Amino acid sequence: GIQVEQSPPDLILQEGANSTLRCNFSDSVNNLQWFHQNPWGQLINLFYIPSGTKQNGRLSATTVATERYSLLYISSSQTTDSGVYFCAVAVGNEKLTFGTGTRLTIIP
Amino acid sequence: DAGITQSPRHKVTETGTPVTLRCHQTENHRYMYWYRQDPGHGLRLIHYSYGVKDTDKGEVSDGYSVSRSKTEDFLLTLESATSSQTSVYFCAISESPGQVTYEQYFGPGTRLTVT
Repeated sequence: GIQVEQSPPDLILQEGANSTLRCNFSDSVNNLQWFHQNPWGQLINLFYIPSGTKQNGRLSATTVATERYSLLYISSSQTTDSGVYFCAVAVGNEKLTFGTGTRLTIIP
Repeated sequence: DAGITQSPRHKVTETGTPVTLRCHQTENHRYMYWYRQDPGHGLRLIHYSYGVKDTDKGEVSDGYSVSRSKTEDFLLTLESATSSQTSVYFCAISESPGQVTYEQYFGPGTRLTVT
């Protein structure tokens, strides 16, 4: 099955800093989603982005499908951005495969 | 936020007892999924449903069964709970124009502890 690798596994930043999270995948995909799992365990949809670029406030994402990677950008980090960020992908009619996540800690 | 609820939210049970977790949606989405989340493994698919009475196995289905008698409800049953089934269980839903992996939305999760 498809392999999903996220980097870095852990990231600690000061409030106000910018960050880039990466998701590499091993096959062509027709579904890619980014999720944020907050410290209370809730999984929140950030982007559905199998290709192209999207922005939502301080967050943006870019997927380069031909090179098999996606990037999540967080600008001007806030403490509420802390948590684990997951990338999930799927090929054709296969089910979503999740990466193991990037744990982001924002220090006030 | 998608209208997805899970019950119970927390449960402690003993090894060998049956356990049923419920997922309820108000979005009328066709597809529903059960995942488990464990440290070091991310989220793994247990079972999914693509319509009433239509279900299929996921990556880690052994020891679990599911049922879907109404569009809005998807039940996950552990017939005889084991300690290895201690986990956080998430339900998800998606609408699909023919693709099973369209954008998914998750419920709040159920923390299950098997002692």
